[in-house]
Amino acid sequence: GQNIDQPTEMTATEGAIVQINCTYQTSGFNGLFWYQQHAGEAPTFLSYNVLDGLEEKGRFSSFLSRSKGYSYLLLKELQMKDSASYLCAVRDINTGGFKTIFGAGTRLFVKA
Amino acid sequence: EPEVTQTPSHQVTQMGQEVILRCVPISNHLYFYWYRQILGQKVEFLVSFYNNEISEKSEIFDDQFSVERPDGSNFTLKIRSTKLEDSAMYFCASRGGTGTDTQYFGPGTRLTVL
Repeated sequence: GQNIDQPTEMTATEGAIVQINCTYQTSGFNGLFWYQQHAGEAPTFLSYNVLDGLEEKGRFSSFLSRSKGYSYLLLKELQMKDSASYLCAVRDINTGGFKTIFGAGTRLFVKA
Repeated sequence: EPEVTQTPSHQVTQMGQEVILRCVPISNHLYFYWYRQILGQKVEFLVSFYNNEISEKSEIFDDQFSVERPDGSNFTLKIRSTKLEDSAMYFCASRGGTGTDTQYFGPGTRLTVL
């Protein structure tokens, strides 16, 4: 089966850097996604990693280590609007490559 | 920028009634999905659809659920006899063809079963 773990909540200060970790277990890894979700809204795509290493996109970076089953999302220069839930999601090729499993999300609070 | 749209934004129904949730995926996308999110809980996969057939479904997607792509643009989720526990946000998502791995989500339909 698949399992995804990420912290429930984190708090950080405006302008700072925060790292949100995600660990996963899956039998047929086929990519890891990070989504941002504001309360009452749909998830918004942030990043996709399928190979090991760091992907940088503006203030957001995502890292993947497939051997460790580990990823993190790094948010720099935090802004108040970054207060949201951050969802780690994994696609499993053993399911035909179509099924994406979401973690419970990490709720990030950015304080002034 | 193209986007996934969903209607209605909010649906209220009585237990036992049938509901149809509608989605218009991004026009050149080939893979379609339904997810649900019960309030305060995680996003849960329901079903994926490709080449006019279901490619995978979860344990949640039982005989009460069905999906259809009745024409070239719409993608629907039908719940035949709603239960109280079906109350949730239902998100439609789509992604493109081979090598295009990002799923784009619609804004969701909030279903309330009374």
